[in-house]
Amino acid sequence: NAGVMQNPRHLVRRRGQEARLRCSPMKGHSHVYWYRQLPEEGLKFMVYLQKENIIDESGMPKERFSAEFPKEGPSILRIQQVVRGDSAAYFCASSPPSGGAPTGELFFGEGSRLTVL
Amino acid sequence: QKEVEQDPGPLSVPEGAIVSLNCTYSNSAFQYFMWYRQYSRKGPELLMYTYSSGNKEDGRFTAQVDKSSKYISLFIRDSQPSDSATYLCAMTGDNAGNNRKLIWGLGTSLAVNP
Repeated sequence: NAGVMQNPRHLVRRRGQEARLRCSPMKGHSHVYWYRQLPEEGLKFMVYLQKENIIDESGMPKERFSAEFPKEGPSILRIQQVVRGDSAAYFCASSPPSGGAPTGELFFGEGSRLTVL
Repeated sequence: QKEVEQDPGPLSVPEGAIVSLNCTYSNSAFQYFMWYRQYSRKGPELLMYTYSSGNKEDGRFTAQVDKSSKYISLFIRDSQPSDSATYLCAMTGDNAGNNRKLIWGLGTSLAVNP
């Protein structure tokens, strides 16, 4: 019974390259969330998606970042022209169609750690 | 001032100690309070959930909410080395299904020494 699967676990990119992070939600979950975690900032919400729809991207930087959750396949967080400040742990979480009510529980993956040289 | 304040620690205790972890918040609209545990190099996992004020107990863990003081606590009794992790508080005023509105603390790093 696989949980939330993220890959790659570790990714190293040089400045200016592109980073693609993938997330497969738990079976039966249709809501996907992406978070960024930095030691001095904690967990920051980036984007919330359902299949083929971006529901809320209020936490996404306006430039270089995009996310999708296609009808088939994993959700993808894409960072174009990476800069050193993009180095962080990126977590994907999923919840069932109810949104995880009443507890609002989020099920997190193990994260993808991006290092930008 | 951040909406949620949490002392990052680190906190180091001997095995068997009672641990108290705390968060303060400023938004009086918060009603749903959660504690997540995050082991090193892993994702957070939900530990405790509380709605409004009061206490909730689950095994060695007790979550406490004092809305009048805007203060929440997580107590761990008979702490074990396996409790060594970072503990994050999270809260929201929206319906608990609205997960993207969760406001997170920075997390407190706990080490329980055998």
